[in-house]
Amino acid sequence: DSGVTQTPKHLITATGQRVTLRCSPRSGDLSVYWYQQSLDQGLQFLIQYYNGEERAKGNILERFSAQQFPDLHSELNLSSLELGDSALYFCASSVAGRTGDGYGYTFGSGTRLTVV
Amino acid sequence: AQRVTQPEKLLSVFKGAPVELKCNYSYSGSPELFWYVQYSRQRLQLLLRHISRESIKGFTADLNKGETSFHLKKPFAQEEDSAMYYCALSGRGRRALTFGSGTRLQVQP
Repeated sequence: DSGVTQTPKHLITATGQRVTLRCSPRSGDLSVYWYQQSLDQGLQFLIQYYNGEERAKGNILERFSAQQFPDLHSELNLSSLELGDSALYFCASSVAGRTGDGYGYTFGSGTRLTVV
Repeated sequence: AQRVTQPEKLLSVFKGAPVELKCNYSYSGSPELFWYVQYSRQRLQLLLRHISRESIKGFTADLNKGETSFHLKKPFAQEEDSAMYYCALSGRGRRALTFGSGTRLQVQP
């Protein structure tokens, strides 16, 4: 087990709805990163939190938001869902706030979101 | 801007054949490069980091700054190497990894 836990594993919802994805980082890791993986776009960086604060934003839509709580778990909120939001959403964690330390990430197993 | 290019979506080889998964990057400073692997129905796992210059599961990758490449190589492919491979880059001080689009390696018996 890599230590990064994501729930739920699968989610099916209708267009226009709102969902929340949850991520618990590996013990001791302060940074959480969210990525979206779709067939045509590959792995797209969405957002990073470090010790409760937003650190970096990638290609995250305004309909999406995230937060990191004092216990370091993070939630990704997706609202006004569209068919195109169907994807695998990965959470990753790392010790530091920067990946320049050379250690890379530890990934969770992802949440597969299907919007119908 | 930083960018990672993996030109091959699919690479199919026979067991025992050499493998080279290509990765080219664009970054103006000194990058840190990684290879991640995703086996079927599993999470992405870190395979290699260029700074450690290690060999994992027989795979090696050398950073070539002149050619801005970080190709992943293995002299003799095994069936269990079949997976999706992602090259990723981090600029020094940057906070998020940029991933390539991935290459699916298929090792046939």
